[in-house]
Amino acid sequence: NAGVTQTPKFQVLKTGQSMTLQCAQDMNHNSMYWYRQDPGMGLRLIYYSASEGTTDKGEVPNGYNVSRLNKREFSLRLESAAPSQTSVYFCASSPRQGSFQETQYFGPGTRLLVL
Amino acid sequence: AQSVTQPDIHITVSEGASLELRCNYSYGATPYLFWYVQSPGQGLQLLLKYFSGDTLVQGIKGFEAEFKRSQSSFNLRKPSVHWSDAAEYFCAVGAPTGNQFYFGTGTSLTVIP
Repeated sequence: NAGVTQTPKFQVLKTGQSMTLQCAQDMNHNSMYWYRQDPGMGLRLIYYSASEGTTDKGEVPNGYNVSRLNKREFSLRLESAAPSQTSVYFCASSPRQGSFQETQYFGPGTRLLVL
Repeated sequence: AQSVTQPDIHITVSEGASLELRCNYSYGATPYLFWYVQSPGQGLQLLLKYFSGDTLVQGIKGFEAEFKRSQSSFNLRKPSVHWSDAAEYFCAVGAPTGNQFYFGTGTSLTVIP
């Protein structure tokens, strides 16, 4: 099993460009999450999906959209990138529906630089 | 509002020395408590978690953590640190009900020979 995979590993964008970060898990997990990690701020939740077909905002959703394409895949879209969105983005998944009370399994991250 | 605090931004220890990383939370009820480790350039991996029961929790890689309700703390410990333990450590709290989950800001651990 690959666990949680993320593509791309690294991306450079110009301000105003759009892009989609892809995430897939092969563990048959129900819940999936997107975080951003910034120096000195830990990880902050952007969006999560408690089950296929549902998505909810986290702590810092502004400037992002998400799609839970199916049970395996959860994508994060930046419609008009801004320098403030320069960050490392992590996708995670957990087994049960809508549960923040259990272990999350993380992907390797996507480093995004917005110029 | 709930929060989680890791007071130490960076800690340096000698290999073989003991380690304690601090974590304090602010929450009305006892939350679910986690410690994750992040090696350079990697994603996060769960070290251990506490939901209820025995307040001393054993994790992977020889780590343990103790939940102290009176101090709202969940400190991570290891008796003897190895060079491979150099990493960033994150404490996290999840609400016992509802969809709230927060990471601390992390503690960076350097291990010197």
